[in-house]
Amino acid sequence: DVKVTQSSRYLVKRTGEKVFLECVQDMDHENMFWYRQDPGLGLRLIYFSYDVKMKEKGDIPEGYSVSREKKERFSLILESASTNQTSMYLCASSLLPRTGGTEAFFGQGTRLTVV
Amino acid sequence: DQQVKQNSPSLSVQEGRISILNCDYTNSMFDYFLWYKKYPAEGPTFLISISSIKDKNEDGRFTVFLNKSAKHLSLHIVPSQPGDSAVYFCAASEVNRDDKIIFGKGTRLHILP
Repeated sequence: DVKVTQSSRYLVKRTGEKVFLECVQDMDHENMFWYRQDPGLGLRLIYFSYDVKMKEKGDIPEGYSVSREKKERFSLILESASTNQTSMYLCASSLLPRTGGTEAFFGQGTRLTVV
Repeated sequence: DQQVKQNSPSLSVQEGRISILNCDYTNSMFDYFLWYKKYPAEGPTFLISISSIKDKNEDGRFTVFLNKSAKHLSLHIVPSQPGDSAVYFCAASEVNRDDKIIFGKGTRLHILP
């Protein structure tokens, strides 16, 4: 079974703090994604990466950065957390469709609260 | 601008009947479509997908229909069961472009006893 593991289920951080959300997948997938889920807004793509050290902005990259130094790990960084970044954060991974991949597999999510 | 639209925020269906969840998209370059199911406090789980070269894909109780000319897809669940109560997300991708997966806002399905 594909496993995508997010380092924390729940986090509470203070405004202005630098926050790291970690995600690890064990299936050698090329693609990795970070989404946030908010009520009434669905899943919105923040950043994705199709290879080590490669990243692409999604629909809402402002206030976030990412790091992919190893294939299995994709980190989301909130440089200076703000209350409007309180959300459920979801990491996902998938194979490249060109190599037979189709669906993305998600981690369990990290509920981040910024106070 | 929203590229994947799920216009019904919620839907209630009697247990045993058919549930039909709808999804529209605006980007005609999308060539791969997926449905995910999400329970509270869990990550979404993949349900079923369809390539743009097909108009129907079936997997057990789940069938997805694609109407490319209308830029519309639907997920049929029959018969509906209590465990089907969840939020369902429609998603789309241009697999020959950038592998980005775009999600709709979701539809909350309630299965009534």
